[in-house]
Amino acid sequence: GAGVSQTPSNKVTEKGKYVELRCDPISGHTALYWYRQSLGQGPEFLIYFQGTGAADDSGLPNDRFFAVRPEGSVSTLKIQRTERGDSAVYLCASSLTGPGGAFFGQGTRLTVV
Amino acid sequence: SQQGEEDPQALSIQEGENATMNCSYKTSINNLQWYRQNSGRGLVHLILIRSNEREKHSGRLRVTLDTSKKSSSLLITASRAADTASYFCATGQGAQKLVFGQGTRLTINP
Repeated sequence: GAGVSQTPSNKVTEKGKYVELRCDPISGHTALYWYRQSLGQGPEFLIYFQGTGAADDSGLPNDRFFAVRPEGSVSTLKIQRTERGDSAVYLCASSLTGPGGAFFGQGTRLTVV
Repeated sequence: SQQGEEDPQALSIQEGENATMNCSYKTSINNLQWYRQNSGRGLVHLILIRSNEREKHSGRLRVTLDTSKKSSSLLITASRAADTASYFCATGQGAQKLVFGQGTRLTINP
């Protein structure tokens, strides 16, 4: 595709449930980022992949959050035992290796009820 | 955690005026980037300035970087209603990790 695609665009889940958020980066982009953004705040860094490996996962808030990128392209952010505080827009971005801007998807709005 | 701090948090100006937003950061960086966000969803990359550059232009955008003061500014000249959005600075650290600030909400009044 032409841009970064995130699915679903909206997800409502019950507290305690497990969710998966998917990101399809731009073809050929080796770097992939996940961010979380709450209303009125800037994007909060979660994890950064270079190829298949997580180069930096220091932003994951706790062990309920996990992300994979098994083939170096599509990535899945997984949240176990969701809590109401996990409600936010989850943004994915990709970029080529080296200096340059990141391209963002439209995000997944997660609501935990 | 957020590193960058944008100033002001909100800015409202008349169409045609210039808008200036500032960003401060705390650690060493490889580059600094500015992004625009409409309606709280996807961000759009506007401009990147490397740590060894002091000023960069792109259309109506002008970015400056002062690494000694750990600060940057984004100037939008001749503002238009379509420039209404939130603007974020992001610092490129280490192996391309991007850390965003809290953003400036810019409103252009017709």
